[in-house]
Amino acid sequence: GQNIDQPTEMTATEGAIVQINCTYQTSGFNGLFWYQQHAGEAPTFLSYNVLDGLEEKGRFSSFLSRSKGYSYLLLKELQMKDSASYLCAASDSNYQLIWGAGTKLIIKP
Amino acid sequence: IAGITQAPTSQILAAGRRMTLRCTQDMRHNAMYWYRQDLGLGLRLIHYSNTAGTTGKGEVPDGYSVSRANTDDFPLTLASAVPSQTSVYFCASSEEGPEDTQYFGPGTRLTVL
Repeated sequence: GQNIDQPTEMTATEGAIVQINCTYQTSGFNGLFWYQQHAGEAPTFLSYNVLDGLEEKGRFSSFLSRSKGYSYLLLKELQMKDSASYLCAASDSNYQLIWGAGTKLIIKP
Repeated sequence: IAGITQAPTSQILAAGRRMTLRCTQDMRHNAMYWYRQDLGLGLRLIHYSNTAGTTGKGEVPDGYSVSRANTDDFPLTLASAVPSQTSVYFCASSEEGPEDTQYFGPGTRLTVL
């Protein structure tokens, strides 16, 4: 079957760095998306990885290892506004997205 | 430019009633999607449309129907609501298909009693 695993909840301190992991098992693979979702709001796009390696975009970076079925989202210089859920989604061979349940990130001052 | 709008924002519905959730996008995207989001679960695809005039079933289509008469609108209908359809419903669109970034509407919170 197809499956996405990510931690349910993480806590970090303002100004620190946090890494949110995601492992996936899909029928074929075409890429990995990360979305941010603030409580009560819609998901918004953060990143899309197709090739292995790290892609940096400001304070946020995303990493992909296709051979390991693994990705992570790295958030640097954490701010209170980064408190949100982070959703991992893998695109399968039919380009359908398989979504993880999301990681709720709590930032403490 | 509004992006994607959904209506209503929230609704309480008696079981057995018919309900249509509306979704409109102004980005001229070809593909549109309906998801439901339940606590502890990932977004689950209900129905999708790759282009106007075509629709397809997602992971959890039972009890729901959609239509795509034009590019902009993609309504979701619950023919006879049941309590298990209590959820937050998100409409999304992407430029060509699911391989593209999806843009989400603000969601509709539906409670079926």
